[in-house]
Amino acid sequence: GAVVSQHPSWVICKSGTSVKIECRSLDFQATTMFWYRQFPKQSLMLMATSNEGSKATYEQGVEKDKFLINHASLTLSTLTVTSAHPEDSSFYICSAPHSEKRDNEQFFGPGTRLTVL
Amino acid sequence: QKEVEQDPGPLSVPEGAIVSLNCTYSNSAFQYFMWYRQYSRKGPELLMYTYSSGNKEDGRFTAQVDKSSKYISLFIRDSQPSDSATYLCAMSAPGNTPLVFGKGTRLSVIA
Repeated sequence: GAVVSQHPSWVICKSGTSVKIECRSLDFQATTMFWYRQFPKQSLMLMATSNEGSKATYEQGVEKDKFLINHASLTLSTLTVTSAHPEDSSFYICSAPHSEKRDNEQFFGPGTRLTVL
Repeated sequence: QKEVEQDPGPLSVPEGAIVSLNCTYSNSAFQYFMWYRQYSRKGPELLMYTYSSGNKEDGRFTAQVDKSSKYISLFIRDSQPSDSATYLCAMSAPGNTPLVFGKGTRLSVIA
């Protein structure tokens, strides 16, 4: 199989606090993971590419100092939303390609719904 | 022009109807084409995966790719109320590259 989990599944926090979201590949190793954000009734927009052992690559318009990504092992990438504000409220989803599956087939986590009050 | 264009709908059809969903794209580098289904507040679920022009069938679902026209389609036969969801097309270039998604089409199948 190829299962990707995310934790937490939902989180509510106060404005100004930081929130950490974990993305784990449970039964395979992922040197690369992708982080997407989805606003209500919108599509998934790529935020950043997380690479194990090196710095993440951020998409244009995504603040790297606000969205800290750490890919410390082959099965775990974390996204920390620092000093969260209400406009950061969104659905955050990670995905990982599996090297032994079909080319570019990616496996998605169930998502984390962040609400910033 | 956005890389991937998809009519967001909403699309409402009666149970048993054939549903046609479409996306167009502009990037010739895209070689892998996928359709995902997403229920409200859930992660996307892969329905179809294709990498060549032509048709691919899986049960009630048929994916069609026309690379010359940069146009892909998903057909759902004998649609069911449980098919009610948002359908997202996605595509990527070769290599460990991220997916580029369409806006998604919200489908409602009415019993």
